Amino acid sequence: GESVGLHLPTLSVQEGDNSIINCAYSNSASDYFIWYKQESGKGPQFIIDIRSNMDKRQGQRVTVLLNKTVKHLSLQIAATQPGDSAVYFCAENRGYSTLTFGKGTMLLVSP
Amino acid sequence: DAGITQSPRYKITETGRQVTLMCHQTWSHSYMFWYRQDLGHGLRLIYYSAAADITDKGEVPDGYVVSRSKTENFPLTLESATRSQTSVYFCASSTGEETQYFGPGTRLLVL
Repeated sequence: GESVGLHLPTLSVQEGDNSIINCAYSNSASDYFIWYKQESGKGPQFIIDIRSNMDKRQGQRVTVLLNKTVKHLSLQIAATQPGDSAVYFCAENRGYSTLTFGKGTMLLVSP
Repeated sequence: DAGITQSPRYKITETGRQVTLMCHQTWSHSYMFWYRQDLGHGLRLIYYSAAADITDKGEVPDGYVVSRSKTENFPLTLESATRSQTSVYFCASSTGEETQYFGPGTRLLVL
């Protein structure tokens, strides 16, 4: 289930489950969105991106959904594996070549 | 392909000392960024650079200085380190319009 941890919201799932991580963004003018994965002790790693003229984009085992009406972004991970355990960030580009990052969600995958 | 590297990876210093964190990228990306990451705050932009000799402040620039004499390097200097600058620092680069690619980070402890 999903809970608010000491610092980050945490999503705990079983191996093989599908995971959905959510993100709300604030600026309706944002035109580009990215999901990053950050493993412990490492830098953020690009997962998938989506432009504002799209509603959905699929990658390998991952899908990003964009709902511009409610300014909501989600990352779906299919058949979640222990190696998917990490912190996931969404980021939005407000048009100035800089990104604004969300606080992140920790995904814990149990074998 | 080395990508983007940071040095040192770990640094312990004392209050009042000057510290320089190095960032080097091999992609010839025009944009480079410095972030700090703290629990509860996520990634916050310190400074960024659109090209050699062009730099601009981000969200939290106070106490930091940057320079960019060469496209591939973007050092970050703490002129007089304070305990509040204890953090993990990430450098990133991009072509300017899309994804930012992150280095492995520098963990800085100011005593």
